[in-house]
Order: sequence, then C-alpha cells, then structure tokens
Amino acid sequence: KNQVEQSPQSLIILEGKNCTLQCNYTVSPFSNLRWYKQDTGRGPVSLTIMTFSENTKSNGRYTATLDADTKQSSLHITASQLSDSASYICVVSATSGGSYIPTFGRGTSLIVHP
Amino acid sequence: DGGITQSPKYLFRKEGQNVTLSCEQNLNHDAMYWYRQDPGQGLRLIYYSQIVNDFQKGDIAEGYSVSREKKESFPLTVTSAQKNPTAFYLCASSIDLSSEQYFGPGTRLTVT
Repeated sequence: KNQVEQSPQSLIILEGKNCTLQCNYTVSPFSNLRWYKQDTGRGPVSLTIMTFSENTKSNGRYTATLDADTKQSSLHITASQLSDSASYICVVSATSGGSYIPTFGRGTSLIVHP
Repeated sequence: DGGITQSPKYLFRKEGQNVTLSCEQNLNHDAMYWYRQDPGQGLRLIYYSQIVNDFQKGDIAEGYSVSREKKESFPLTVTSAQKNPTAFYLCASSIDLSSEQYFGPGTRLTVT
C-alpha cells in the first residue's frame, strides 16, 4: 500500500531560526513529490514539485530535496518568519494506468514563536 | 485560493439529514477532487472526476455522492449513510490528473 510518513509531527522554533521537515514514502511507481503549506482553516497551497530526476528545488526561503533511491524528501525553511506557522504536507503521486492519484502525508505542524 | 470557491465556509446539520457542499472553479480545469481532512490525519480522497459526466470513487466514498454535469462544478452530497460526517472538506481541481492540484478554502461541516 502506498504510504507517506512525515516527521516530526509538530515543531516549535523561534523566529529567524532554520528548520528541516522530513518525508519518507513507499509510493510506487513514483511520479512526483510535492510539498504543500496549509494555513489553519484554509486549503493547501503548493510550495514545490519534484520529479524523479530532480534532487533540489527552491522557492524563496523554502528548499526541498529528494533522494529517490532512499525514497526520502526534506523541506528546509531558512530564516523562519511568523507567517511560516502552518502545516506542511508532503504529497507523493504514483503512476497507475494513466492515473496519478496522490497519497498525502499527515503533515508537520510548525509553530514559529517571536 | 486560485479560482476555486467552496460554500459555505461553515455548515451545521442535524444527524440524518443529507447536505450538499458546493465547489466551483473558473480555471478551466478538467479534473476535480473532493477530500476529507480530520484532525491529525492526512487528506483522504472521497471522489474525483477526470472530465465532465465522469467520476470515480476514492478511498472513502461510502456515504457520499457527487455529480459532474458542468466542467466548473463538482458538488458533494454527504448522505445520512455517512457514519461520521463531521470534518473539514476540501475541493481541488487540476488541468488533468497528473498536474498540480489547486485547493479551495474548504467547508467545515458539523453534524450533531
């Protein structure tokens, strides 16, 4: 069964600090991996998308990495801001008969304190 | 929220009543989805539609029904058969099944 595991479940950091969120997956055959940011009570918004051949992708202060061999991804947030407080969701899509229905992780809840 | 609207934002119903959640998109996307999100859980797929007049069950379709009569609209009906309907419901759309999904703002349904 396709699964996506994220760690830690929750994280509290001080404003200005860096942090790294982890995502391990068993989705196969792999198509792509996305990181989403979800503010409380809102819909998720895509941060990055990575395909099999990509190792690193940045979006401002967000940098995602992908190791397709070990089936691991990380999301690094640099110089955190209060607005970074949100849930970060790792989503992995598999290709199956032309369908790319994704598997969602449970998310990491990040709280940034002033 | 990328041209996808969901209404209402909050919805309250009595147990045993059917309720329909609205989802509209003006992005000209072919694919649309419905997800359910519970506290501490990942998003779970209820139904998805690849194209107008076609839809497929997701992982947790029991107790739900959908229709896709128009490209822009993908309403979800939560029936009385759904044993635990209280949840946050998210609608999404994408150009096709392999493309990035854009999410609506969600509807929080409370059934008492």
